[in-house]
Amino acid sequence: DAGITQSPRHKVTETGTPVTLRCHQTENHRYMYWYRQDPGHGLRLIHYSYGVKDTDKGEVSDGYSVSRSKTEDFLLTLESATSSQTSVYFCAISDRALGNSPLHFGNGTRLTVT
Amino acid sequence: EDQVTQSPEALRLQEGESSSLNCSYTVSGLRGLFWYRQDPGKGPEFLFTLYSAGEEKEKERLKATLTKKESFLHITAPKPEDSATYLCAVQEYSGGGADGLTFGKGTHLIIQP
Repeated sequence: DAGITQSPRHKVTETGTPVTLRCHQTENHRYMYWYRQDPGHGLRLIHYSYGVKDTDKGEVSDGYSVSRSKTEDFLLTLESATSSQTSVYFCAISDRALGNSPLHFGNGTRLTVT
Repeated sequence: EDQVTQSPEALRLQEGESSSLNCSYTVSGLRGLFWYRQDPGKGPEFLFTLYSAGEEKEKERLKATLTKKESFLHITAPKPEDSATYLCAVQEYSGGGADGLTFGKGTHLIIQP
């Protein structure tokens, strides 16, 4: 693994509650990404970061927010979880802009919203 | 319309039976095409990046090739440990290059001993 730790690995929560997922990297890479993976949809980009406090939206950002206060940590927050946010969430990192360097993924967080 | 389409969705082979997985893409300007392997309960593991038509990359029993409209992942004499889901992803020329990859839905490959 490329020094990426996601926590928690599994979480069950109720509709309407806030949830924060954490991604921690030890590679000192500049770029960090949050994806979700669902059957029939493949991996879809939620948000990404191109530096400390620099973030932007991806394809499926509604209902999610992110923060990056340190190079090594990228947090994904579901402000008020819904059942449609039940998914497996993957964090990825890269040390250069894509096309010059691949993404390396963590092992995911399985989130169930009941 | 999906920008990245992988076929077949699932493939079952006998050990030693070579085959190819397809990834077709419709982006206007390709910055890079990426292949990943994903095992159950794990994150995708990077295999190859291809940048231009005609390029080929090899790793053990895998060889990836690229044309202007599609990429193939050729698996030669596969072993049961090659069983996994293989993902293809593309990045277009847009923005500053940081804005992520577009993934296909994957091909689930099973190699039977």
